Amino acid sequence: QSALTQPPSASGSPGQSVTISCTGTSSDVGGYKSVSWYQHHPGKAPKLMIYDVNKRPSGVPDRFSGSKSGNTASLTVSGLQAEDEADYYCSSYAGSNILYVFGTGTKVTVL
Amino acid sequence: EVQLVQSGAEVEKPGESLKISCKGSGYSFTSYCIAWVRQMPGKGLEWMGIIYPGDSDTRYSPSFQGHVTISADKSISTAYLQWSSLKASDTAMYYCARSLYIGKEDSFDIWGQGTMVTVSS
Repeated sequence: QSALTQPPSASGSPGQSVTISCTGTSSDVGGYKSVSWYQHHPGKAPKLMIYDVNKRPSGVPDRFSGSKSGNTASLTVSGLQAEDEADYYCSSYAGSNILYVFGTGTKVTVL
Repeated sequence: EVQLVQSGAEVEKPGESLKISCKGSGYSFTSYCIAWVRQMPGKGLEWMGIIYPGDSDTRYSPSFQGHVTISADKSISTAYLQWSSLKASDTAMYYCARSLYIGKEDSFDIWGQGTMVTVSS
């Protein structure tokens, strides 16, 4: 099972928006409403930011939003802040044999 | 406070066995599934497998099936990740994570601090 495809990097100035794509197949992203997004600051534990494509866990700012169209999911971070600078990974359920698959990861830089 | 606390960093030689742990507290340990995730140096995150501590139902990602063993001891609210014969390529940070809510096994919101495993001769 190959990792989902994400752009290696994305950037924006404080206050701007950045959108990260996550492309899979009909066997993972396109086949289930089970896309999650994780924020990972190096040296720290990953943090769940979005689940079920577009739902935010308690405590996650509404600046973070998710969507999906076909085999591609997206994470948008609006009103970029310095603390948003991190690696972001998408994840999708991929069936009972594969379980889950992560994306390749995107490093977000706040300019 | 709901938390997962992992065992400390390990340095082992190739061929040795190892078992690292992940202790849950502040919630019903048997009601939520636990996942293990690997991050090799400079690389991305990889799902390894999950376990339901209540009945020890365990599932592995194909890449890890046969290479590691996931287990749990519900009496002490602890999940484990185990190797019988380590390889240099097992050098990585390993995270455990708890599912977001009971019955949901595809999103994980509580994470351990990570255990760094270094395998070197």
